[in-house]
Amino acid sequence: EVQLVESGGGLVQPGGSLRLSCAASGFTFSSYAMSWVRQAPGKGLEWVSAISGSGGSTYYADSVKGRFTISRDNSKNTLYLQMNSLRAEDTAVYYCAKCSRAVPAAKAFFDYWGQGTLVTVSS
Amino acid sequence: DIQMTQSPSTLSASVGDRVTITCRASQSISSWLAWYQQKPGKAPKLLIYKASSLESGVPSRFSGSGSGTEFTLTISSLQPDDFATYYCQQYNSYSPFTFGGGTKVEIK
Repeated sequence: EVQLVESGGGLVQPGGSLRLSCAASGFTFSSYAMSWVRQAPGKGLEWVSAISGSGGSTYYADSVKGRFTISRDNSKNTLYLQMNSLRAEDTAVYYCAKCSRAVPAAKAFFDYWGQGTLVTVSS
Repeated sequence: DIQMTQSPSTLSASVGDRVTITCRASQSISSWLAWYQQKPGKAPKLLIYKASSLESGVPSRFSGSGSGTEFTLTISSLQPDDFATYYCQQYNSYSPFTFGGGTKVEIK
């Protein structure tokens, strides 16, 4: 059974940093691209970032480019999102999602999602 | 970026009704479209991929159709468990992936 468990969310001040983690199990982690998708309170879904199965290719939404860094440790079956220079508009539930293929560019959709971790940016 | 527009944004229906949700892409995405269901406080769940392929374990009352720029999600006979918000998502272009604004299916 595929399981994705996010952690690391919390309350942070504007301009601060936070690192999210996503522990994966139930599939060959290195064979699939992974992604982060967020949802602001009461709003829709917004794709944030993706990384290929090898970790060699990364992709970002314009809204987070230069501030967020996605990475993965295939030896630990764990996905990360380092978030710097946080803004109030980054407040959201952050979901880790498994892509259906090894490379996001190969027409990959999101077939499994974690339960999410809440990030609140406020003074 | 490819924009995804869903309609309606809210839909009121009764158990047993046939429900149709529409998703329109700002440019052709072939059949690279997925549909997700989300219940309050829960993660999205994949229902349909490649516009019309039913994900394993999803009830057959759900179906998807369309290609190019126009897509539909149909629930043939609405069940109590189906009251939720539904999102379409294009994956023709991976940077960025884009979602529709969502359609909330409410009890009439």
